[in-house]
Amino acid sequence: KAGVTQTPRYLIKTRGQQVTLSCSPISGHRSVSWYQQTPGQGLQFLFEYFSETQRNKGNFPGRFSGRQFSNSRSEMNVSTLELGDSALYLCASSLAPGLAGINEQFFGPGTRLTVL
Amino acid sequence: LAKTTQPISMDSYEGQEVNITCSHNNIATNDYITWYQQFPSQGPRFIIQGYKTKVTNEVASLFIPADRKSSTLSLPRVSLSDTAVYYCLVGSDSNYQLIWGAGTKLIIKP
Repeated sequence: KAGVTQTPRYLIKTRGQQVTLSCSPISGHRSVSWYQQTPGQGLQFLFEYFSETQRNKGNFPGRFSGRQFSNSRSEMNVSTLELGDSALYLCASSLAPGLAGINEQFFGPGTRLTVL
Repeated sequence: LAKTTQPISMDSYEGQEVNITCSHNNIATNDYITWYQQFPSQGPRFIIQGYKTKVTNEVASLFIPADRKSSTLSLPRVSLSDTAVYYCLVGSDSNYQLIWGAGTKLIIKP
């Protein structure tokens, strides 16, 4: 069974631009969560989607948004990029949402976003 | 929200038992404690989860005292391949704000 895939793997943008990252979960998984990882702040939860609905959201500004499609694939969008948005963005999928799925949460390799 | 605190780094040697402690003084009644392992250039990987007392699986044990204000991940007989960053995570469905610790960089020496 194929793992979680994220595209692109690397991305370079300039301040003010917007970016869309894509995540394809493991086949059969309906829950997708997004995380931001930086050296200074560590791993921070962005949001979680299940069956095309956002179930939970972390403490990030409205510039960060996401969506999930009927095939469970998910995208996250960051508008008006800032230098501080440079990070590794990780996607994780699981069969069940919330804490019920956390022990079966599988992470992708991440998208490395650099904002210049 | 439960905030977690872990040692920034630890060193050990192959064959030793390693214990990594996470402090979560404000853990809520419904919060579970989960540990993840992360290698460079990879996403985190689930190790173990517990609520109270002790949980053991094929790779690790998790010790949680009665007051649940801390937890200890125990890795028996570590090898070089256990060199990684280990994260402590506290969260619950009723208040789904997953709080990740800053991670402990574990270096295993031959």
